Amino acid sequence: DAMVIQNPRYQVTQFGKPVTLSCSQTLNHNVMYWYQQKSSQAPKLLFHYYDKDFNNEADTPDNFQSRRPNTSFCFLDIRSPGLGDAAMYLCATSRGRIVDQPQHFGDGTRLSIL
Amino acid sequence: AQKVTQAQTEISVVEKEDVTLDCVYETRDTTYYLFWYKQPPSGELVFLIRRNSFDEQNEISGRYSWNFQKSTSSFNFTITASQVVDSAVYFCALSETGANSKLTFGKGITLSVRP
Repeated sequence: DAMVIQNPRYQVTQFGKPVTLSCSQTLNHNVMYWYQQKSSQAPKLLFHYYDKDFNNEADTPDNFQSRRPNTSFCFLDIRSPGLGDAAMYLCATSRGRIVDQPQHFGDGTRLSIL
Repeated sequence: AQKVTQAQTEISVVEKEDVTLDCVYETRDTTYYLFWYKQPPSGELVFLIRRNSFDEQNEISGRYSWNFQKSTSSFNFTITASQVVDSAVYFCALSETGANSKLTFGKGITLSVRP
């Protein structure tokens, strides 16, 4: 089935040690998003790609970066994770611009910081 | 700026009860879209419905129904004859038109359905 796949489901890293989360999609959607969701909170958009066009949210920390080498894959890099970065990270895709297209989410990667 | 308010934080019902989840939004746009997503304990967000601002017709899908009223800026979600599998966090979300549009989520409502 076409879907959004996130790996791994659970990631543990050490304070300050770089970590990369991955997302792939078989939907051939133009747009890919990364959200951060902390416990009992709404998802918070970090950034999104429209094809190769990168759009960073104004309040996304510099510590967070993203790469999209091709249509199918998108990566979230956290350069120096702090304790406050422990969260669920959700990847999503949509066919077109955000406005009217429903977003399709992966299962998420739960990141823990030791 | 766009805003979504889900005043209810947690709701607990017994199986087979009907339950309504409230959503109130704020926007200055005349064209916008409203969404409901379900997040079960497994974590993925599941798209339930999309409604555009020009379509106030209510929608029913099985046990789910949605009531959109522009006059009160509300987009409420009713589950009829709730089941244990309906237990999840439900998010209402809004997107406006414009180059910098993004999906704004409410804080979510945790629904627990007890057997």
